[in-house]
Amino acid sequence: EAGVVQSPRYKIIEKKQPVAFWCNPISGHNTLYWYRQNLGQGPELLIRYENEEAVDDSQLPKDRFSAERLKGVDSTLKIQPAELGDSAVYLCASSDLERGQYFGPGTRLTVL
Amino acid sequence: AQSVAQPEDQVNVAEGNPLTVKCTYSVSGNPYLFWYVQYPNRGLQFLLKYITGDNLVKGSYGFEAEFNKSQTSFHLKKPSALVSDSALYFCALRDVSNTGKLIFGQGTTLQVKP
Repeated sequence: EAGVVQSPRYKIIEKKQPVAFWCNPISGHNTLYWYRQNLGQGPELLIRYENEEAVDDSQLPKDRFSAERLKGVDSTLKIQPAELGDSAVYLCASSDLERGQYFGPGTRLTVL
Repeated sequence: AQSVAQPEDQVNVAEGNPLTVKCTYSVSGNPYLFWYVQYPNRGLQFLLKYITGDNLVKGSYGFEAEFNKSQTSFHLKKPSALVSDSALYFCALRDVSNTGKLIFGQGTTLQVKP
């Protein structure tokens, strides 16, 4: 089966610019997660979706971050404007009940 | 508060020798524990999980993990390391109050030398 797809894989932008990341989860997975992984650390949850509903966005910096999951399939995570501290790897994951979460390859964001 | 700790930033082992990557956890209630591996420029790959039952859990690529409730540990093990096992390993705990959310340790780099 196809895995979780993310694009782009790499993104370099200047601070104050906007950026968007896209995720296509595994077919049939209703739950979708966005994590941020800072260098040398484990991933931290930003937002979790059940179908198209954001059920946990308590860790999402809502002043500059936004996310959507239209039709309960693909999802987009946006940062506007980006700051230097946003440089990280942004991971998307989707889950089923058997094995838990499947992760995509991530988008490595560098903010200059 | 729930947390996961991986006390070693890096573990070095010779090829063919047994390896152990340590993980301890803190949670109220029964823990759901996971191990993931991350290769450079790749996403996290699931290795194994402990939900309930046998304390020795077998997973992918010959890895296994031993759950120890009294020591609140979930150490990852492999009887004979391969150079290709060199990667970043994460232990994770599923949040008991939030279905699905994973709480990760900071990761341990495993270096297997020929």
